[in-house]
Amino acid sequence: EDQVTQSPEALRLQEGESSSLNCSYTVSGLRGLFWYRQDPGKGPEFLFTLYSAGEEKEKERLKATLTKKESFLHITAPKPEDSATYLCAVVGKTSGSRLTFGEGTQLTVNP
Amino acid sequence: DAMVIQNPRYQVTQFGKPVTLSCSQTLNHNVMYWYQQKSSQAPKLLFHYYDKDFNNEADTPDNFQSRRPNTSFCFLDIRSPGLGDTAMYLCATSRDTSEKLFFGSGTQLSVL
Repeated sequence: EDQVTQSPEALRLQEGESSSLNCSYTVSGLRGLFWYRQDPGKGPEFLFTLYSAGEEKEKERLKATLTKKESFLHITAPKPEDSATYLCAVVGKTSGSRLTFGEGTQLTVNP
Repeated sequence: DAMVIQNPRYQVTQFGKPVTLSCSQTLNHNVMYWYQQKSSQAPKLLFHYYDKDFNNEADTPDNFQSRRPNTSFCFLDIRSPGLGDTAMYLCATSRDTSEKLFFGSGTQLSVL
């Protein structure tokens, strides 16, 4: 059974204070690891897909990296508008079409 | 341009009173999903359609049903809602299985 654990559960940063969110996963044959951003009362918004260890993707202040056991979402010089819950999800070769989500990291960036 | 649209945004129903949530998409995606997300929890897959093929998760209660009359629309029917069914219900689509999901804004259901 696929498993995803995200840490920390909650993170408070000052504006401009860079940090990283962690997603540890166990999956039988990774087909893809996904990062989503979710604002309160809204559906998740797609950020990145990573497929293989060593892969990196960037978008504005966000950079996602992947190893064989975990993924990191690095946030450089965050702004208050980056405040949201960040969800990680994986799909494995035996998962069918089922994405397994972690419970997310709730990020708050104070001005 | 909204691509996955869910209605209504908020729904209040009484214990045991049937309710239907709707989802439409303009992406022409093959796969449509329904997820349940309770407060501060991960989204939980209830079922999905690949075209007209329905795929139910083993632990989805029988109380939850779904219909997909055409490519664009999908409905979630809760036959006899219980208090524990209070949650955000998320519809999502993808071009194919294992590809990235596009989510709607969700329907927040409250069962009183």
